Amino acid sequence: GQSLEQPSEVTAVEGAIVQINCTYQTSGFYGLSWYQQHDGGAPTFLSYNALDGLEETGRFSSFLSRSDSYGYLLLQELQMKDSASYFCAVRDQGDYKLSFGAGTTVTVRA
Amino acid sequence: GAVVSQHPSWVICKSGTSVKIECRSLDFQATTMFWYRQFPKQSLMLMATSNEGSKATYEQGVEKDKFLINHASLTLSTLTVTSAHPEDSSFYICSASTGTSGGRTYEQYFGPGTRLTVT
Repeated sequence: GQSLEQPSEVTAVEGAIVQINCTYQTSGFYGLSWYQQHDGGAPTFLSYNALDGLEETGRFSSFLSRSDSYGYLLLQELQMKDSASYFCAVRDQGDYKLSFGAGTTVTVRA
Repeated sequence: GAVVSQHPSWVICKSGTSVKIECRSLDFQATTMFWYRQFPKQSLMLMATSNEGSKATYEQGVEKDKFLINHASLTLSTLTVTSAHPEDSSFYICSASTGTSGGRTYEQYFGPGTRLTVT
């Protein structure tokens, strides 16, 4: 089975940097994805790490350490529109099902 | 590209009736579609995986006779909630994927979700 842990809530001000950590225990591992979900909306794909290291996409970056079973999503230059839930998700090796973490609610204050 | 639609976006039904939710991939062919359920302030829980032309694979604890899934074509999958009860009220989200090829697994693209309320 899969087990993912991430913080439940983070609050920060506009312009700040937020790091959301995700640790996982899985029977197999193919990659770690991050999704953003606004209230009442669908999850939207942010990033994917299959190999160790940092992936940068604009203001968002994601990091993976397979040996530590750990990854994080870094949100830079926070904007009010970044207030949302962020989920890490693991893909089983050889199986493309996703197992989601419980989600981190990010609240951006003015 | 990679747009997935769901219909309806929200539905209210009476207890005991059945509701059908459609999931369509609009600009790509989806070898595999996934159905999730999400309760308020909770994570997405995978209900089942459906592959075009074959029976769906249900996750443990999901009643296949209650949640009927049909994946009749490469662009359409349907989820029918049969004999709905108030505890089935939830946000149902589908996703579509082109599956795997040459060892590479392709990303899942999510639909906008369907909010079901059973009264």
